[in-house]
Amino acid sequence: SQKIEQNSEALNIQEGKTATLTCNYTNYSPAYLQWYRQDPGRGPVFLLLIRENEKEKRKERLKVTFDTTLKQSLFHITASQPADSATYLCALEYGNNRLAFGKGNQVVVIP
Amino acid sequence: SAVISQKPSRDICQRGTSLTIQCQVDSQVTMMFWYRQQPGQSLTLIATANQGSEATYESGFVIDKFPISRPNLTFSTLTVSNMSPEDSSIYLCSVEGLQGGRETQYFGPGTRLLVL
Repeated sequence: SQKIEQNSEALNIQEGKTATLTCNYTNYSPAYLQWYRQDPGRGPVFLLLIRENEKEKRKERLKVTFDTTLKQSLFHITASQPADSATYLCALEYGNNRLAFGKGNQVVVIP
Repeated sequence: SAVISQKPSRDICQRGTSLTIQCQVDSQVTMMFWYRQQPGQSLTLIATANQGSEATYESGFVIDKFPISRPNLTFSTLTVSNMSPEDSSIYLCSVEGLQGGRETQYFGPGTRLLVL
């Protein structure tokens, strides 16, 4: 069966450190993968998209890697700040721009 | 980016009744999506709603339970019919990205539904 797995445990991290989140998937062959941020009571907000032929993508303090052999994406927040505290969702494309989401991984940045 | 609003923002309903959720976008978009986010679960796509055609439903979701309208390029509705407590969830609409690629999606704030 198809699965998208993100760590269910919250990641508590000291301000200024790098937060690293993992997204593993099975039985998908996505043309691209996306990461979204979701705050309580709000809809997800798009952060980054990485295509199957790209290894790495950066945007400001964010970095995403995509390994189609391992079927894994890593999401990094460098120099983390308390404002980065949120839940981060991994999403895979599975045809016609449709997205399948992981459950999300909560990040708590401690001042 | 698109500005998306949803009505109502939240509601408490009795089982057996129906609720229609509205999604309004400030720009014309071809593709709109409806999702459900149950407590502790991932966002799950219910259906894709394109203007001028029938909505396309994902496995496990049917039109009789979740009828969708898409009368124009800026508006859509999702109805949750004959509700049961299992339908308690957050319902979100999203639209395709207008800039930087249609693969991205912009989400509305969601409608929080509690069925008693």
